[in-house]
Amino acid sequence: KAGVTQTPRYLIKTRGQQVTLSCSPISGHRSVSWYQQTPGQGLQFLFEYFSETQRNKGNFPGRFSGRQFSNSRSEMNVSTLELGDSALYLCASSLMQNTEAFFGQGTRLTVV
Amino acid sequence: AQRVTQPEKLLSVFKGAPVELKCNYSYSGSPELFWYVQYSRQRLQLLLRHISRESIKGFTADLNKGETSFHLKKPFAQEEDSAMYYCAPSDGGGSNYKLTFGKGTLLTVNP
Repeated sequence: KAGVTQTPRYLIKTRGQQVTLSCSPISGHRSVSWYQQTPGQGLQFLFEYFSETQRNKGNFPGRFSGRQFSNSRSEMNVSTLELGDSALYLCASSLMQNTEAFFGQGTRLTVV
Repeated sequence: AQRVTQPEKLLSVFKGAPVELKCNYSYSGSPELFWYVQYSRQRLQLLLRHISRESIKGFTADLNKGETSFHLKKPFAQEEDSAMYYCAPSDGGGSNYKLTFGKGTLLTVNP
């Protein structure tokens, strides 16, 4: 079966702009989580969606938001980009809570 | 606050030697515990989970609730085990779900 697909793979944005990242989960998976990966902080949880509802949110500012559509595809949005937002953003999907999370390849965001 | 500590950023062993990657956690409730691995140029993937009590690629992990540890072990390391390993407890209660990752341990198995 097809894995988790994230688009785009690479993005370069300038400070102050906004960006939208997309994640298509594995077919049948209703839970989608987002993580930010940086060399300094490692992998940090952003938020998780299940059936179009945000169930949990990490400690990130309100500039980071997300949503999930009825087909379980998810998007995350970062507004007013800062240099520190440069990171690899990973999406993971799972069938249910506490089951294996399958990760996408990530979107590499560079803010200049 | 939930915390995961992987004390070794880097671990280097020779092929055939035993390897242990340490993980300590500070968590409220009863988290589900996972080890994830990332091989070079591959996506992050599940290695094993505590509840399954499986041995995957020769790796096992023992949960010690008293010490709140979930160390990953393999008796004889192979070169193909070289990768980044992450310990990740998961919130399991209610409708919440998230993985809290440790900073990871980069394992290098030398020939």
